[in-house]
Amino acid sequence: EPEVTQTPSHQVTQMGQEVILRCVPISNHLYFYWYRQILGQKVEFLVSFYNNEISEKSEIFDDQFSVERPDGSNFTLKIRSTKLEDSAMYFCASSGQGEGVSGYTFGSGTRLTVV
Amino acid sequence: RKEVEQDPGPFNVPEGATVAFNCTYSNSASQSFFWYRQDCRKEPKLLMSVYSSGNEDGRFTAQLNRASQYISLLIRDSKLSDSATYLCVVNAGNNRKLIWGLGTSLAVNP
Repeated sequence: EPEVTQTPSHQVTQMGQEVILRCVPISNHLYFYWYRQILGQKVEFLVSFYNNEISEKSEIFDDQFSVERPDGSNFTLKIRSTKLEDSAMYFCASSGQGEGVSGYTFGSGTRLTVV
Repeated sequence: RKEVEQDPGPFNVPEGATVAFNCTYSNSASQSFFWYRQDCRKEPKLLMSVYSSGNEDGRFTAQLNRASQYISLLIRDSKLSDSATYLCVVNAGNNRKLIWGLGTSLAVNP
């Protein structure tokens, strides 16, 4: 079964440092997403991406965040200057054309710890 | 009213029990409804979509009441492996963004 792959599985970084979280969506999917989950809290939408541009973003996704699809396979989330409150699980997801939201596939997540 | 609200739980039930989860949502424009399952520190996995007519998948039955903006999940004959957090999820109106409940934790005991 096709998978969404995320790397690294765990990243520890110092406050103020930049981090890049990487995702390889399912190859024929066209819609890409980042969600995050702070420990003990609900999953929160960050951003959706389609046709090489952001289609929607949440209030959380401020100027410190950016996404990129640098080549045909990777989809990255960059946090420019990490804060302690950015510590969370970050999930990448993708879905295909015409599947609607039921076609979401999530990656196994990157646990980001900011110290 | 929270966007998606669930029973706080946790639910502790013996094997074989029937357990019901409830969820309400605030956005009347939501079009798609789901139950996801999340194991501890893992990614959410789609359990089932929820349709207006109600739908069943083995031991799992989901119901949707659009008028009341209410979604339910029933698990019959619960197994140890059903122990997880169950997340009620709706889309935010006419787009692909998903809004998540906090989840209800289920522990099925031998």
